[in-house]
Amino acid sequence: AQSVTQLGSHVSVSEGALVLLRCNYSSSVPPYLFWYVQYPNQGLQLLLKYTSAATLVKGINGFEAEFKKSETSFHLTKPSAHMRDAAEYFCAVSDPGGDYKLSFGAGTTVTVRA
Amino acid sequence: EPEVTQTPSHQVTQMGQEVILRCVPISNHLYFYWYRQILGQKVEFLVSFYNNEISEKSEIFDDQFSVERPDGSNFTLKIRSTKLEDSAMYFCASSESGLPYNEQFFGPGTRLTVL
Repeated sequence: AQSVTQLGSHVSVSEGALVLLRCNYSSSVPPYLFWYVQYPNQGLQLLLKYTSAATLVKGINGFEAEFKKSETSFHLTKPSAHMRDAAEYFCAVSDPGGDYKLSFGAGTTVTVRA
Repeated sequence: EPEVTQTPSHQVTQMGQEVILRCVPISNHLYFYWYRQILGQKVEFLVSFYNNEISEKSEIFDDQFSVERPDGSNFTLKIRSTKLEDSAMYFCASSESGLPYNEQFFGPGTRLTVL
């Protein structure tokens, strides 16, 4: 079964600093990988996804993630944090073999200090 | 921009009562899903639904749970006899197709509290 692990349940960064959220997947074949963001009182919104095309994926709001097969990782980064980036971030995986379902990591809460 | 909506935003019920959580998926989407997140835990898949039948369900989705698309717009999750451990945030999602790389669009969730 596909699974992802997010390292760090809570990340605090200063405004303007690098945001780095870690996600490692567990799969014998490269899966499809997703990063979702949840702002307070809102649903999960897709930031970006990896579907076996380019290994560096650019998403919305200045985020990007790099798929590294050798490290089984799909870490999310943003060069310069903004106050509006304060939210909860979820890494998720789906099975290229055809399962519809997403398997989520535990989530990382990002706070941004002024 | 089209979005998935869910009602109510918060539901409080007594143990043993039936609850129905409602969702309106994006209108041209064909695949529908329910997920839940117990406080402090991961978001977990419950069930997927296509062409008026369940495509896949998790081990969580036992006989106490059912889903239905009663009309052309609503998608509901029913819990027949709620338990304390059913307290969670329930998310509805929809997608254009069931392909594993397709984006699933999520609603804002319904927080269910079972007393």
